[in-house]
Amino acid sequence: DTAVSQTPKYLVTQMGNDKSIKCEQNLGHDTMYWYKQDSKKFLKIMFSYNNKELIINETVPNRFSPKSPDKAHLNLHINSLELGDSAVYFCASGDTDTQYFGPGTRLTVL
Amino acid sequence: DQQVKQNSPSLSVQEGRISILNCDYTNSMFDYFLWYKKYPAEGPTFLISISSIKDKNEDGRFTVFLNKSAKHLSLHIVPSQPGDSAVYFCAASAVGGSQGNLIFGKGTKLSVKP
Repeated sequence: DTAVSQTPKYLVTQMGNDKSIKCEQNLGHDTMYWYKQDSKKFLKIMFSYNNKELIINETVPNRFSPKSPDKAHLNLHINSLELGDSAVYFCASGDTDTQYFGPGTRLTVL
Repeated sequence: DQQVKQNSPSLSVQEGRISILNCDYTNSMFDYFLWYKKYPAEGPTFLISISSIKDKNEDGRFTVFLNKSAKHLSLHIVPSQPGDSAVYFCAASAVGGSQGNLIFGKGTKLSVKP
């Protein structure tokens, strides 16, 4: 009964490819997020979705696009992958007090 | 420019003693603070939080202290256990944990030695 799950856990791909990372939460939260942890270990917000509306969009390249088919899912699509996209991507969902994170997806772009 | 700073990248403590992890922030609009614990190859796990209207919150072995005038918070773990060995992230939000995005510090790696 994992609260926030992500697939795949590891993703290795070539530059220029398009890939997706899936995220699902069973906590009934209205808001879901994507974070990126870069090589310097900083965790930074990328997107959040509340009731299918994008409410935060930090300075992320438009090659990244979140897609939410329903309240329990927020998938991350990445087009034309670049070397600098290599990082660990975390999905999270939140209630009024805190956010709960998935296990992360380590993306390696070769 | 880092709005949330954890200036100690690592901390080593003996089992049974107190661990004190520190966090400083610069944005006076932050009104909610959280601590997360992270094991390798896992996502951050929520540990404890504190609202800016309080100066202390306690949950078992974990206590968070907030000093708003100094823009400083700390996490105390007592007694420390080997299973506490992990990276601890401090995070802050200006609108509450969910409606606003969390700004994270860089983390402090805690090692508790038996």
